[in-house]
Amino acid sequence: DQQVKQNSPSLSVQEGRISILNCDYTNSMFDYFLWYKKYPAEGPTFLISISSIKDKNEDGRFTVFLNKSAKHLSLHIVPSQPGDSAVYFCAARVGTSGSRLTFGEGTQLTVNP
Amino acid sequence: GAVVSQHPSRVICKSGTSVKIECRSLDFQATTMFWYRQFPKKSLMLMATSNEGSKATYEQGVEKDKFLINHASLTLSTLTVTSAHPEDSSFYICSAHSLNSYNSPLHFGNGTRLTVT
Repeated sequence: DQQVKQNSPSLSVQEGRISILNCDYTNSMFDYFLWYKKYPAEGPTFLISISSIKDKNEDGRFTVFLNKSAKHLSLHIVPSQPGDSAVYFCAARVGTSGSRLTFGEGTQLTVNP
Repeated sequence: GAVVSQHPSRVICKSGTSVKIECRSLDFQATTMFWYRQFPKKSLMLMATSNEGSKATYEQGVEKDKFLINHASLTLSTLTVTSAHPEDSSFYICSAHSLNSYNSPLHFGNGTRLTVT
């Protein structure tokens, strides 16, 4: 039962344009969502998060939007840079930071110069 | 920022041997650490939750006698793959969160690539 889904395994954009990565979830108990970036043979690096009480959180070039009614969140990167090329994982959890994370399958983002 | 160190980064072992992977939180204390496994082009699958001073909690389908977890201190958790087989070859990643930071994100180690020949 895949509770967190990233339906696009890959995304390719031009440098300077916007990258939009999408994530859907099924468990209505999730109340905290995170995006991680991962390079090959490395662990995931935390990017940005959002609590279910908010619908938007922005940090520099990264903005996460949450639509609770649709159980959908998205990560916007603008402007995209070649160094952003990596696999992006959406993750969700229930409750406090001690709780386990459930990950999506990941989306490979390629930003072309 | 919070740093999680995982060692070794790569290990090759023969079938039937055991391999120990260490996960350390370098600048914070972690009562809970998580062990994940990633198959090629797949998501990170939670294997177990490691609790300091108590038994680990394993996810359904994960053999606790095969994947031994010990969380002896607030900064160290170990995963031992016992009697390794080629199908245990995978990328194993640990994560931890700071004891004193509510709602902090999990911080991950750099992972261990295990190859069983």
